Amino acid sequence: GEDVEQSLFLSVREGDSSVINCTYTDSSSTYLYWYKQEPGAGLQLLTYIFSNMDMKQDQRLTVLLNKKDKHLSLRIADTQTGDSAIYFCAETVNDYKLSFGAGTTVTVRA
Amino acid sequence: SQTIHQWPATLVQPVGSPLSLECTVEGTSNPNLYWYRQAAGRGLQLLFYSVGIGQISSEVPQNLSASRPQDRQFILSSKKLLLSDSGFYLCAWKASSETQYFGPGTRLLVL
Repeated sequence: GEDVEQSLFLSVREGDSSVINCTYTDSSSTYLYWYKQEPGAGLQLLTYIFSNMDMKQDQRLTVLLNKKDKHLSLRIADTQTGDSAIYFCAETVNDYKLSFGAGTTVTVRA
Repeated sequence: SQTIHQWPATLVQPVGSPLSLECTVEGTSNPNLYWYRQAAGRGLQLLFYSVGIGQISSEVPQNLSASRPQDRQFILSSKKLLLSDSGFYLCAWKASSETQYFGPGTRLLVL
């Protein structure tokens, strides 16, 4: 199946950690991605994880993958105002296509 | 390095008018190319993708069409725009075994 689900909104205080969750349905997905979209802009690839990994860390970003539950999460440590954006989870459908979630709007409050 | 361009950045068109949006990629050869639409407050909908010159796959039936006249050029067209065509149109490219990279987008408002 091709159905990626995310919660629509997340509000977090500046300096706290943000955790954005995603569930997917296709157990054969080889890669899972997180993209960031700032207002009025295109999507920027933040990070990705190969399906045989459980965790990937890149500076303030930590991706956790639970293949059994088909659950992907993105943790942003020390959230800053510049992290306010829409975050999209995506899974590979085949060699050509990705399936995207609806996006989680993260609002960072002072 | 690779770059992707889209133009125009913003477009306001009357209902029933034609449309042509252009996307070009630099710094890569034979990429897969994609057109997505993002309606206000919603996720991404894949409209078309192309794996080579003249090869177009349509994902959603609608009054839009796509063409790929050159290796690194992807065009989204319509003969007659509808109000429901308003949205943010994103082009993306992908090299083999890599992820998709997105352009800056074109905001289309149909009045």
